Parts: sequence; structure tokens; C-alpha cells
Amino acid sequence: AQSVTQPDIHITVSEGASLELRCNYSYGATPYLFWYVQSPGQGLQLLLKYFSGDTLVQGIKGFEAEFKRSQSSFNLRKPSVHWSDAAEYFCAVLTGTASKLTFGTGTRLQVTL
Amino acid sequence: DSGVTQTPKHLITATGQRVTLRCSPRSGDLSVYWYQQSLDQGLQFLIQYYNGEERAKGNILERFSAQQFPDLHSELNLSSLELGDSALYFCASSGGTQETQYFGPGTRLLVL
Repeated sequence: AQSVTQPDIHITVSEGASLELRCNYSYGATPYLFWYVQSPGQGLQLLLKYFSGDTLVQGIKGFEAEFKRSQSSFNLRKPSVHWSDAAEYFCAVLTGTASKLTFGTGTRLQVTL
Repeated sequence: DSGVTQTPKHLITATGQRVTLRCSPRSGDLSVYWYQQSLDQGLQFLIQYYNGEERAKGNILERFSAQQFPDLHSELNLSSLELGDSALYFCASSGGTQETQYFGPGTRLLVL
């Protein structure tokens, strides 16, 4: 069965520093991959997605992610973090045959000033 | 704003009761999904409807049921509520299957 692993439960970075959130997936075929962000008390907002094509995808708020098939990874990056980026980030996979999203456990990002 | 609306935003009820959560998908979207977010289980898929028909089922309890109406809005019915049903319930919609899902703001359910 498909699964998503986000190995970092909590990450703290300084404002202006770069960020990388890790995501590994388990799925036999090419997956459809997503990153969502959840601010406290809010719903899930789509940051970016990968379906096919260019393995480096750009999203909203200056985020990007790179699909690496050989490593089964889809890590999220941002070159310079802003205090407003503090939130919980979820990686998710949508398999080719099912309609459901399988989510990782999330990474809580704290930004220090 | 994703365009997906959910009501109510908050719900407090007692064990053994029944509640109904409502979701309106984005304009033009035919698929509606329900997810549960809890501290111990994380985000879990419950059920999907496409144009009024059930399409996929996940970890949905028998006490829970859903439907999608001709105007494409959906309702999630939770009955015989237990303390452990306290969670954030999200609705998402997409144009079809295997497409990007857009999430509503969620309904926070507290069972006392």
C-alpha cells in the first residue's frame, strides 16, 4: 500500500534562513505528489503539486519541490523563510488508481525572529 | 479561499448524539471527499463521492455515512458519537478523480 513519511516532526529555523522539509513516499508507479500547508485553526492550502514533466515544481509563497524518483522523495524548499511561514506542512500522495490522498504525519515549522 | 465551504465551523455535542456536517464543493467540481484529522490518527480519508455516486471508501466507521445531493453538495452524518470521534473533519473537492483536491476550512467536532 502507498505511504508517505515525513521524518521531521518539528523544525525550527530563523527568519531569512533556507528551509528544506523532507518527504518520502512508497508507491510502485509514478505518484501524484502534493504539499499542503495548515496554519493554526485553518484548513489545508495547496502549496504545489507534481503530476509529471519537470521534476522541479514551483508553488505559491515562494516554495518549490523536487521529485526524485531514485530516492522516492519530494522535498519542499524555500530559500528564505518568513515568520508568516510558521505552520504545519503535509506531504501527500494520490495514487494512479485510487482517488484518496494519503498524507504524511506532518512537519511543524517554527520560525524564530 | 479555496472555494469549498463547510458548515458549521464548530460543533459541540454529547456522546450518543448524531450530527450532520455539510460541504459545498467548488463551482463545477463533481468529486467530494471527506477526511478526518485527529491527534492520534493524523489525516485520514473517509469517503469519496463523484456526481452523486459513492466512488471510494476509506477508514470510515459504520456509524458514519455520507451522501452527495443532485446540487453536488455533500453531507457527512455521524451517529452514536463517542469521545474518540472528536476531530477536525475536512471536505475537499476536485473536478474529477485523480485530480488536485481543494480543501474547505473544516468542521471542528467536540464530543463531550
